[in-house]
Amino acid sequence: GENVEQHPSTLSVQEGDSAVIKCTYSDSASNYFPWYKQELGKGPQLIIDIRSNVGEKKDQRIAVTLNKTAKHFSLHITETQPEDSAVYFCAVLSGGSQGNLIFGKGTKLSVKP
Amino acid sequence: EPEVTQTPSHQVTQMGQEVILRCVPISNHLYFYWYRQILGQKVEFLVSFYNNEISEKSEIFDDQFSVERPDGSNFTLKIRSTKLEDSAMYFCASSEFRGRDEKLFFGSGTQLSVL
Repeated sequence: GENVEQHPSTLSVQEGDSAVIKCTYSDSASNYFPWYKQELGKGPQLIIDIRSNVGEKKDQRIAVTLNKTAKHFSLHITETQPEDSAVYFCAVLSGGSQGNLIFGKGTKLSVKP
Repeated sequence: EPEVTQTPSHQVTQMGQEVILRCVPISNHLYFYWYRQILGQKVEFLVSFYNNEISEKSEIFDDQFSVERPDGSNFTLKIRSTKLEDSAMYFCASSEFRGRDEKLFFGSGTQLSVL
């Protein structure tokens, strides 16, 4: 089955710096790659996603890149702010799956003012 | 903004008891899901549901688990005889589409504690 690895597990940056979180996956048939932000006591919130026919997608300070050949995708947050502090999860939807997102283990991002 | 709502936010139960976790998906969504997250671990898929039947389920979703859409708005997860290892945060999610345009929206979760 699909295996998703996420790194790093924790990341601390200064406000204004960039943060990058990386995920790798194993199933080459996977075709949908969302990123979720989870704040304390809340459910995962979809922040950006990318599909297998696109290499990069950007939404204001957040961007995601996908390398299908190498089977990895990354979340980039620029000009980080304290409110970006949260746990970020990557996820992969395997080809043919019906809502079975395979999540990474999460990255706890801390943005220091 | 429409959101998935879950009740209760916390549920404490004795081992062996039945629990029902409730969810109200986003109103125009047709696909419903349950996930769980054991403390400090990653979010895990339990089951997906469409057109009043299970579409897909994981190995975690054994005979002790069942799902139901009892009316036009609620989606429930029942655990028949809870075990200590069922303690986790349970998330309901819904999506308008499946496949190519699938975007899952999650509720805030129900923290289940089995004593």
